Amino acid sequence: KNEVEQSPQNLTAQEGEFITINCSYSVGISALHWLQQHPGGGIVSLFMLSSGKKKHGRLIATINIQEKHSSLHITASHPRDSAVYICAVRLFQGAQKLVFGQGTRLTINP
Amino acid sequence: DAGVTQSPTHLIKTRGQQVTLRCSPKSGHDTVSWYQQALGQGPQFIFQYYEEEERQRGNFPDRFSGHQFPNYSSELNVNALLLGDSALYLCASSLERRLAADTQYFGPGTRLTVL
Repeated sequence: KNEVEQSPQNLTAQEGEFITINCSYSVGISALHWLQQHPGGGIVSLFMLSSGKKKHGRLIATINIQEKHSSLHITASHPRDSAVYICAVRLFQGAQKLVFGQGTRLTINP
Repeated sequence: DAGVTQSPTHLIKTRGQQVTLRCSPKSGHDTVSWYQQALGQGPQFIFQYYEEEERQRGNFPDRFSGHQFPNYSSELNVNALLLGDSALYLCASSLERRLAADTQYFGPGTRLTVL
């Protein structure tokens, strides 16, 4: 079992829909990252969370440390939101190693 | 302010060859991490460099080695290439802060194809 599990693996929705991507982890962490990866490979860091909730534009990220679970929400989704969204956790032990989920491929149709 | 840069962007090698990938961190960052991302998978941690030393290593064989220079830039070397080494190699930089988790900034990656 992977230390970081994301669901769903693939998600297709219509423009304007509210999107939720989930991330569960099984290890102790110091922080959780949500990343966006477009075709071609470049990764952009969207959020880094250690507790609570963060909002940036139409994106909202929440984390529940006790339940070891985080969600990424996209409101009023748009075709340009189509990308792979990756959850990654920073482990308590050791240096700043990130452990990644396998990603959620999101496609927003116009 | 330049972000993380990597070179080359694409590379094609044959089995058994050696390859060197390069990364320049974001200005002001002193820590560089390398990741391997196979097609359709999430990135896997290779190793991290800080103060010119390998600080932590993932589950990769000794064929994977690296170096960090005094200007904080870094190289990833892979010897005796295998077909399975074909992947996107990502570099990420951050600023070492022992008491706080810091955001890692990712480069665009180098896509390595081994034939």
